[in-house]
Amino acid sequence: KQEVTQIPAALSVPEGENLVLNCSFTDSAIYNLQWFRQDPGKGLTSLLLIQSSQREQTSGRLNASLDKSSGRSTLYIAASQPGDSATYLCAVINPGGGADGLTFGKGTHLIIQP
Amino acid sequence: NAGVTQTPKFRILKIGQSMTLQCTQDMNHNYMYWYRQDPGMGLKLIYYSVGAGITDKGEVPNGYNVSRSTTEDFPLRLELAAPSQTSVYFCASRQDRWTEAFFGQGTRLTVV
Repeated sequence: KQEVTQIPAALSVPEGENLVLNCSFTDSAIYNLQWFRQDPGKGLTSLLLIQSSQREQTSGRLNASLDKSSGRSTLYIAASQPGDSATYLCAVINPGGGADGLTFGKGTHLIIQP
Repeated sequence: NAGVTQTPKFRILKIGQSMTLQCTQDMNHNYMYWYRQDPGMGLKLIYYSVGAGITDKGEVPNGYNVSRSTTEDFPLRLELAAPSQTSVYFCASRQDRWTEAFFGQGTRLTVV
């Protein structure tokens, strides 16, 4: 059974810092990996989708990398801002896992101090 | 483009009552999902559908039922509400296994 772990569980940094969030998964036979952002009391907003054949994806100040063989992904946030404060979730899609449903990590709760 | 829409946003139920959580998407996606999110537990898959008329159980289906009569709609039914069903419920959709999943804003359900 696929398991997804996110480290750290919580992170607090001053505004302007570059930071890295980590995601690891136990079964490397994935179709793709998706990073989400969740604001308190809100739904999940898709940030980046990386296909299993890709090494990285970029969107603005966000860069996500994928090393499928080692079961790891990182989300790099450049020049962090208070508006980046949220919970960040990673999810992987495996063959046969409930109509290729996403398996989620428990998230990293990020606070950017002004 | 509305994306994935869930109603209601909040609901309080008494033990033993029934209700239906509504989910509709306007992206013509084949796959639809229901997840529940509990504090410290992450998101767990309840039911899923790969197209109209086709549904199947996920990881935590007990106490729930679903139907998929159209591509757009995927309602989740709670027949006899129990306190263990207090949670935030999310509906999601995607076109296929290679594409992005989109989520609704969630329904916060409390069973008392």
